[in-house]
Amino acid sequence: AQRVTQPEKLLSVFKGAPVELKCNYSYSGSPELFWYVQYSRQRLQLLLRHISRESIKGFTADLNKGETSFHLKKPFAQEEDSAMYYCALSGPAGGTSYGKLTFGQGTILTVHP
Amino acid sequence: DTGVSQDPRHKITKRGQNVTFRCDPISEHNRLYWYRQTLGQGPEFLTYFQNEAQLEKSRLLSDRFSAERPKGSFSTLEIQRTEQGDSAMYLCASSLAGRVKDFGPGTRLTVT
Repeated sequence: AQRVTQPEKLLSVFKGAPVELKCNYSYSGSPELFWYVQYSRQRLQLLLRHISRESIKGFTADLNKGETSFHLKKPFAQEEDSAMYYCALSGPAGGTSYGKLTFGQGTILTVHP
Repeated sequence: DTGVSQDPRHKITKRGQNVTFRCDPISEHNRLYWYRQTLGQGPEFLTYFQNEAQLEKSRLLSDRFSAERPKGSFSTLEIQRTEQGDSAMYLCASSLAGRVKDFGPGTRLTVT
């Protein structure tokens, strides 16, 4: 069965400190991994996906297939990064299950001034 | 096009009543997904459509739940004989056969 685990429900850091939100997954095959973010009073939105290897708003995430992890990192956190972050996976791109997402429970990130 | 929209935004109903929610996807998107989110949990997949065809339905979904997408445009999700355990946020998302990046604002259902 596929599963996404985010071990921290809450994470607090000070502005300018590095931040890492952990995500581990289980999946038979090669999934596509995503990070979604939900700011206060806003809808869920895609932050980044592993296949594009991009940096969005200073965040990066590296897929480690050996450790089945997809941790989200930012070297210098900003107050506007405070939000709920969800790690998610789907079947590989091009397949019928692509887009059918399995989400983790989410991590609330609070960045203090 | 202002993105995915959902109606109503909030619904309070009494146990045993039927409710129906509507989702309007981004117009050119051919895939439409329904998710449910309860407090403290991430969204949970319910069902999805490609055009008007319902391709998959979660095994966790009881037969009190039904969804349609006539003509491959908007979609409705109906819950019959609601129970208190159905109280949740119901999210709709759409995509162009690709990564899901467009979610609606959700419909919050409260069953009293």
